[in-house]
Amino acid sequence: KQEVTQIPAALSVPEGENLVLNCSFTDSAIYNLQWFRQDPGKGLTSLLLIQSSQREQTSGRLNASLDKSSGRSTLYIAASQPGDSATYLCATYDSGGYQKVTFGTGTKLQVIP
Amino acid sequence: NAGVTQTPKFRVLKTGQSMTLLCAQDMNHEYMYWYRQDPGMGLRLIHYSVGEGTTAKGEVPDGYNVSRLKKQNFLLGLESAAPSQTSVYFCASSFNALYEQYFGPGTRLTVT
Repeated sequence: KQEVTQIPAALSVPEGENLVLNCSFTDSAIYNLQWFRQDPGKGLTSLLLIQSSQREQTSGRLNASLDKSSGRSTLYIAASQPGDSATYLCATYDSGGYQKVTFGTGTKLQVIP
Repeated sequence: NAGVTQTPKFRVLKTGQSMTLLCAQDMNHEYMYWYRQDPGMGLRLIHYSVGEGTTAKGEVPDGYNVSRLKKQNFLLGLESAAPSQTSVYFCASSFNALYEQYFGPGTRLTVT
């Protein structure tokens, strides 16, 4: 059974700092990995989707990398801003016979002005 | 283009009551999903559908039923609510199993 872990559970950084969020998974047989942002009381907003054949994806100040062999993905946020404060979730699209997406429990990011 | 919408946004039920949550998407997606989100446990898949008229069980289906009579709508039913079903429920849709999922704003359900 796939397990997705995100450490740390919470992170507080000063504005302007570059930061890395981590996501690890136990079963490397995945199709995709997706990073989401969740604001308090809101739904999930897709940030980046990395297909298994890709090693990274970029969108603006965000860069996500994927290393299937080591079971790790990172989300790099450049020049953090207070508006980046949210919970960031990663999710793996797993193989195994039926639609299966496994979510991590997220990293709650606070960017301090 | 509203994306994925959910109704209602909030609901309080008493144990044993029933209710239906409605999810609608206007992106012509084939796949639709219902998740629940609980503190410390991440999102867990309840049921999903791969097309109009189809449904399938996810990771935590007990106590829930679903229907997909129209392609754009996916209904989640609780026949006899229990306090363990207190959660935030999210609906999502995608073009197919490997395309990114788009999420609705969620329904916060409390069962007393």
